Amino acid sequence: AQSVSQHNHHVILSEAASLELGCNYSYGGTVNLFWYVQYPGQHLQLLLKYFSGDPLVKGIKGFEAEFIKSKFSFNLRKPSVQWSDTAEYFCAVSLTGGFKTIFGAGTRLFVKA
Amino acid sequence: AAGVIQSPRHLIKEKRETATLKCYPIPRHDTVYWYQQGPGQDPQFLISFYEKMQSDKGSIPDRFSAQQFSDYHSELNMSSLELGDSALYFCASSTWTGMNGYTFGSGTRLTVV
Repeated sequence: AQSVSQHNHHVILSEAASLELGCNYSYGGTVNLFWYVQYPGQHLQLLLKYFSGDPLVKGIKGFEAEFIKSKFSFNLRKPSVQWSDTAEYFCAVSLTGGFKTIFGAGTRLFVKA
Repeated sequence: AAGVIQSPRHLIKEKRETATLKCYPIPRHDTVYWYQQGPGQDPQFLISFYEKMQSDKGSIPDRFSAQQFSDYHSELNMSSLELGDSALYFCASSTWTGMNGYTFGSGTRLTVV
């Protein structure tokens, strides 16, 4: 069965620190990859996505992610976090042409001002 | 820009009652997905529809049913409510390929007492 694994459930950083959130998936076929963010009290928002092409994907708010096919990974990065990045981050995988998105368990990020 | 609209925003029901949640997708999106997110949990896929037909089914209880109408809005009907049904119910919409990612509504928070 397909699955998505996020390495850290909770991350605490100080402002200006660099961020990397790990995401691995298990599926042998062609996938679409996503990172979503959920700010407190708000619905999920799309940060970035990968379908094909350049494996380094840039998203909104200074986030980027790198798809490493050989490692089945799609890690999210940001060089310098801000207090406003405090949120929960979900990695997600959908099968190309499929109707279902599989979410990871989420990583709660807390940025100290 | 138009977003995915869900109604109601909040709903309180008693055990064994029935609830109906509604989701209005973004214009030109023909695929609707329902997710359930329990407190402190990641969203779980329930069911999806494409062109008014059920396209995929996840962990949706038999007490729940859903349909998509000709204007592409969808309704999730929940009967014989249980305390454990208390959760945030997200609806998302996309085009059938999912190439634009999934746009989520703000959710309906259902509380069963």
